[in-house]
Amino acid sequence: KAGVTQTPRYLIKTRGQQVTLSCSPISGHRSVSWYQQTPGQGLQFLFEYFSETQRNKGNFPGRFSGRQFSNSRSEMNVSTLELGDSALYLCASSFRQGESSPLHFGNGTRLTVT
Amino acid sequence: GQQLNQSPQSMFIQEGEDVSMNCTSSSIFNTWLWYKQDPGEGPVLLIALYKAGELTSNGRLTAQFGITRKDSFLNISASIPSDVGIYFCAGRNAGGTSYGKLTFGQGTILTVHP
Repeated sequence: KAGVTQTPRYLIKTRGQQVTLSCSPISGHRSVSWYQQTPGQGLQFLFEYFSETQRNKGNFPGRFSGRQFSNSRSEMNVSTLELGDSALYLCASSFRQGESSPLHFGNGTRLTVT
Repeated sequence: GQQLNQSPQSMFIQEGEDVSMNCTSSSIFNTWLWYKQDPGEGPVLLIALYKAGELTSNGRLTAQFGITRKDSFLNISASIPSDVGIYFCAGRNAGGTSYGKLTFGQGTILTVHP
């Protein structure tokens, strides 16, 4: 069974631009969460989607947004990029929403903002 | 906000030695997860714990969910060179509608000398 797939693996953008990252969850998984990983802040929760609805959102500005499609695939968008948005963006999927449903991560998209 | 303190921050050990790391939280979690991350990849789930006091093994790895629900530890026995990487603990709160939000520790960097 294929794991969580994130595209692209690497992106270089300039300040002020916007970017869209894509995530395909493990087949059959309906919950998708996004995380930002930086050396200074570690792994920080961005948002979670289940059944095309955002279920929770972390403490990030409104420039960070996401959506989920009917096939459970998800995208996240960052508008008006800032240098501090440079990070590894990780997507994780789980079979369902529930305490006994662990998250499985993809290999991430490395975003560099210049 | 919630804090997860993971220690030690780094470990340098000889091949064959046992390793122990732990996480403590300022609040109660209903789930503890342990992940390993290799350079350029996303975190890989090692062990999931769902009940206070639970002790679970996965090969040479053993993890426990603390009785107070505010801590967890991970032990690696007879370390080998491929154990090198960054180990993260993560906790999940009870209830609500969001199960994709994990709080992560800062990570333990493990180096194994052959």
